[in-house]
Amino acid sequence: AQSVSQHNHHVILSEAASLELGCNYSYGGTVNLFWYVQYPGQHLQLLLKYFSGDPLVKGIKGFEAEFIKSKFSFNLRKPSVQWSDTAEYFCAVLSGGYNKLIFGAGTRLAVHP
Amino acid sequence: GAVVSQHPSWVICKSGTSVKIECRSLDFQATTMFWYRQFPKQSLMLMATSNEGSKATYEQGVEKDKFLINHASLTLSTLTVTSAHPEDSSFYICSAPGPRGQYEQYFGPGTRLTVT
Repeated sequence: AQSVSQHNHHVILSEAASLELGCNYSYGGTVNLFWYVQYPGQHLQLLLKYFSGDPLVKGIKGFEAEFIKSKFSFNLRKPSVQWSDTAEYFCAVLSGGYNKLIFGAGTRLAVHP
Repeated sequence: GAVVSQHPSWVICKSGTSVKIECRSLDFQATTMFWYRQFPKQSLMLMATSNEGSKATYEQGVEKDKFLINHASLTLSTLTVTSAHPEDSSFYICSAPGPRGQYEQYFGPGTRLTVT
């Protein structure tokens, strides 16, 4: 069965610091990968997604992620975080042909001004 | 963009009673919807796939008789927690594949259930 692991459960950064959140998946075939964000009190929103093509994916709000097939990774990055990026970030993989999203445990990011 | 709503956003019920949670796709049709459960500070766990006009598909370990799912129309799926117990207290979230394709899902704001 597919699974997703996120290495960092809780990250604390100062504004303007660079961010990288790790995500690894366990599936050797074709994968569809996502990063979702959940701001406090709000619903999940899609940050970016990878289906095929350019492994460097750009999303909203200055986020990007790089798909590295050899490492089974899809890490999320942002060069300079803002206080408003404080949220919980979830990596997810689409499970085969069933349209089911399998989520990682999430990373709670706190950005201090 | 595609919007998914849930009602209620917050509900408290007594142990032994049943609670119904609605999930609606507001501006698009969804033949499939998904129900997740999220415990505090934990990830979303898929409970079941709701299929319009047919039975829901439950994930392993999810009690079908306890979590009744009905997908009566192309814009509405309901989750009924029957004979609720305090351990059913959780955050329930639904999602639906958006109109642009099956790979992009849109999430509802969630329903917080507290069973006393």
